[in-house]
Amino acid sequence: DAKTTQPTSMDCAEGRAANLPCNHSTISGNEYVYWYRQIHSQGPQYIIHGLKNNETNEMASLIITEDRKSSTLILPHATLRDTAVYYCIVTWAGGTSYGKLTFGQGTILTVHP
Amino acid sequence: DAGITQSPRHKVTETGTPVTLRCHQTENHRYMYWYRQDPGHGLRLIHYSYGVKDTDKGEVSDGYSVSRSKTEDFLLTLESATSSQTSVYFCAISESLLAGGVYEQFFGPGTRLTVL
Repeated sequence: DAKTTQPTSMDCAEGRAANLPCNHSTISGNEYVYWYRQIHSQGPQYIIHGLKNNETNEMASLIITEDRKSSTLILPHATLRDTAVYYCIVTWAGGTSYGKLTFGQGTILTVHP
Repeated sequence: DAGITQSPRHKVTETGTPVTLRCHQTENHRYMYWYRQDPGHGLRLIHYSYGVKDTDKGEVSDGYSVSRSKTEDFLLTLESATSSQTSVYFCAISESLLAGGVYEQFFGPGTRLTVL
């Protein structure tokens, strides 16, 4: 799996957009970008995934650069409940990957009132 | 929320004691995983299962064994617990979202294990 690099921590004001970057310069053509988050003491929660196109769901948007070497997770209107550790994970999605994930240290996002 | 439970939720045990943690799902998902989470290490995969009786090792499998005799249950056993196995253990389940094998994992609430 390609290695990812994320900032250790970020702050965001409530109601503003939170933009969380992730570098994955060694990503290969069949690897997907996943984002998960973990709210304190809970299990991680899936947010979104993408291959090369930008993606949006009810939680967030994922912007992947054209060369696929980096991506940004966007929480359009951050709330206090979005305070969590956000993990960017790049992994092959073939059948024999069995969905295994390798978690890094992630980015601690703190949303302030 | 995905139907996934872990038991026990908290356990304190002594070094050398065998311990079994249970993960139970009601989603009929094929894939199940055990992770541990420690400060400074994030989540690390211990073992995973890709079907009944089909299991394999993850990143940190030494000292752990697993069994999956039916779809809904995935057991993690510490044959002889050590203090280094004090951790929070998370179970997860997943199913393929797309034909290309993209997966979404759902995590359980975790088990906090303390080995004295």
